[in-house]
Amino acid sequence: AQKVTQAQTEISVVEKEDVTLDCVYETRDTTYYLFWYKQPPSGELVFLIRRNSFDEQNEISGRYSWNFQKSTSSFNFTITASQVVDSAVYFCALMFDTGNQFYFGTGTSLTVIP
Amino acid sequence: DTAVSQTPKYLVTQMGNDKSIKCEQNLGHDTMYWYKQDSKKFLKIMFSYNNKELIINETVPNRFSPKSPDKAHLNLHINSLELGDSAVYFCASSRVMNRKQETQYFGPGTRLLVL
Repeated sequence: AQKVTQAQTEISVVEKEDVTLDCVYETRDTTYYLFWYKQPPSGELVFLIRRNSFDEQNEISGRYSWNFQKSTSSFNFTITASQVVDSAVYFCALMFDTGNQFYFGTGTSLTVIP
Repeated sequence: DTAVSQTPKYLVTQMGNDKSIKCEQNLGHDTMYWYKQDSKKFLKIMFSYNNKELIINETVPNRFSPKSPDKAHLNLHINSLELGDSAVYFCASSRVMNRKQETQYFGPGTRLLVL
């Protein structure tokens, strides 16, 4: 059963537009952790953010912001004023408090058009 | 000063060959992983080692064998390579604090192409 769903397979936006990448997760645990990773065309996986389930405060880092909503089991990622360098595949991931596995979503490929 | 490194970056080989991919981390982490990313970008965990002990072994053919000589290294050996093994293989590492795993950091990936 899919534990992390990224329903948007591909998104294209024009530079300077805002874009939101959706992530919906599934768990019955009360303690868990959510992550976003970026995979640019060069192929490496870059860690962006980790959020604990007991901390629902939203986070902003420059043009990036994350909206964690336990009520809807979502952890969405917004890029404000997108730039061409934001073009990448973005992965959402879930980790339970017990065990060592990361459950990755299928990724959203973002293309920012100049 | 690379945190998680993998060699080689690219590997092109013939079907039936045996090959190895090496992974090293200098982060002082005690848990290491191997993931396979297929052509559709789907990331799937293959193995996980904690302090040189195997703790996750997903449904992976026996032709794949991880070897951890020490906490900083986790190598992946693949015997009798098949066309379907072509993929990008990522190594990752994380720290375990108070029996809780922390963020995983990934290596640059090894692009394997089996001809």
